[in-house]
Amino acid sequence: QKEVEQNSGPLSVPEGAIASLNCTYSDRGSQSFFWYRQYSGKSPELIMSIYSNGDKEDGRFTAQLNKASQYVSLLIRDSQPSDSATYLCAVNPTGGGGYNKLIFGAGTRLAVHP
Amino acid sequence: EAQVTQNPRYLITVTGKKLTVTCSQNMNHEYMSWYRQDPGLGLRQIYYSMNVEVTDKGDVPEGYKVSRKEKRNFPLILESPSPNQTSLYFCASSLKGQGGKLNRSPLHFGNGTRLTVT
Repeated sequence: QKEVEQNSGPLSVPEGAIASLNCTYSDRGSQSFFWYRQYSGKSPELIMSIYSNGDKEDGRFTAQLNKASQYVSLLIRDSQPSDSATYLCAVNPTGGGGYNKLIFGAGTRLAVHP
Repeated sequence: EAQVTQNPRYLITVTGKKLTVTCSQNMNHEYMSWYRQDPGLGLRQIYYSMNVEVTDKGDVPEGYKVSRKEKRNFPLILESPSPNQTSLYFCASSLKGQGGKLNRSPLHFGNGTRLTVT
């Protein structure tokens, strides 16, 4: 089992719709969770962080965390073509020498079509 | 401008020819790390460093070396490159380490180095 799992996609949504990106993780003790966005040919950039159960909103982005289910998601409201990118879920594990590691999922490719 | 600078951006080499990919950050960050990115596998950590002269292995350290003699620089060394090291490499840095209960130090990535080993 991979430590951080994401559906590779592509997830195709029409402009203006809500895009829902999902991520599961295996280390139950993980405390910090992140979403990075990576445009094609570019480096990843942080867009959201979340540390406690529930929702965290920032503009059109909402991160959701459910530690009991080991599940973190990213919702993008009013999706725009400029949101088309690969979204990487990242988690700080706590077990197995995980201190100071940030484990990334393989990413979900999002395509927003006009 | 605050940034992480990697060089070169593209590199084609042959098996066994030693190479170094440089990484420098101008943000006085304590933590630096190297990742490789392969299709379907995502970003995998090679080595990281918590500060000068402090380095540790990530998940895929075999075939790589690093050093941290100065806070701003963290070069990645491939002593004898092999074709399975063909990949996209990213250097990243953060103000503090990536551990702890609440990690509030986002990683800043360089522009990447695409390495091909024939």
